[in-house]
Amino acid sequence: QVQLQESGPGLVKPSETLSLICSVSDGSMTSYSWSWIRQAAGKRPEWIGRVLSSGTTEYNPSLKSRVTISIDTSKRQFSLSVTSVTAADTAVYFCAGTFFDAEGVHWFDPWGRGILVTVSS
Amino acid sequence: EIVLTQSPDFHSVTPTEKVTITCRASQNIGDHLNWYQHKPDQSPKLLIRYASESLSGVPSRFSASGSGTEFSLTINSLEAEDGATYYCHQTSTLPGTFGQGTKVEIK
Repeated sequence: QVQLQESGPGLVKPSETLSLICSVSDGSMTSYSWSWIRQAAGKRPEWIGRVLSSGTTEYNPSLKSRVTISIDTSKRQFSLSVTSVTAADTAVYFCAGTFFDAEGVHWFDPWGRGILVTVSS
Repeated sequence: EIVLTQSPDFHSVTPTEKVTITCRASQNIGDHLNWYQHKPDQSPKLLIRYASESLSGVPSRFSASGSGTEFSLTINSLEAEDGATYYCHQTSTLPGTFGQGTKVEIK
């Protein structure tokens, strides 16, 4: 059973870059694409973007200008970078395996437990 | 962007009760809807994909139905372990979007 674990700083200063890593245990990283999702307090979850094992990426248009997702299959990790953060980027950040069918229908399974990132000076 | 609206926002129920959560989409999404369960301090868990297909290992008391713009998740004979927040999630168009969540509290 694939398990995911997020890691990174829990506190980031405004205007700086948020950087997180998701470590993937077991299983093949080529079987999925890999997504980041975030959820601010009291808000609905928001898909940030995904990366395929090939390195191809796809981002939510609302965040595309500030987000980079990359993958290192040799380390069994994928990462998230969000530049120029503000308080609005304060959220729990989840990583998740993402399965797409031939029609583009997809779902997130499994998920990590999430990591709280607070943007504050 | 497709908006999903769940109702109710909060449900306080006793064990053995039946719970139904609805999810309405702002436009037709076919059967491109998933349901997740999220318990505090745990990873969210996929329960249902394609609107009504239960994942392996999901208890049979969980069922779901719907298509187009109206969907529902039903928990028959609620158990104490079912206390969680439940989210619907559409993938008909990118970016996929989530409902606001329904918190199910066990009395």
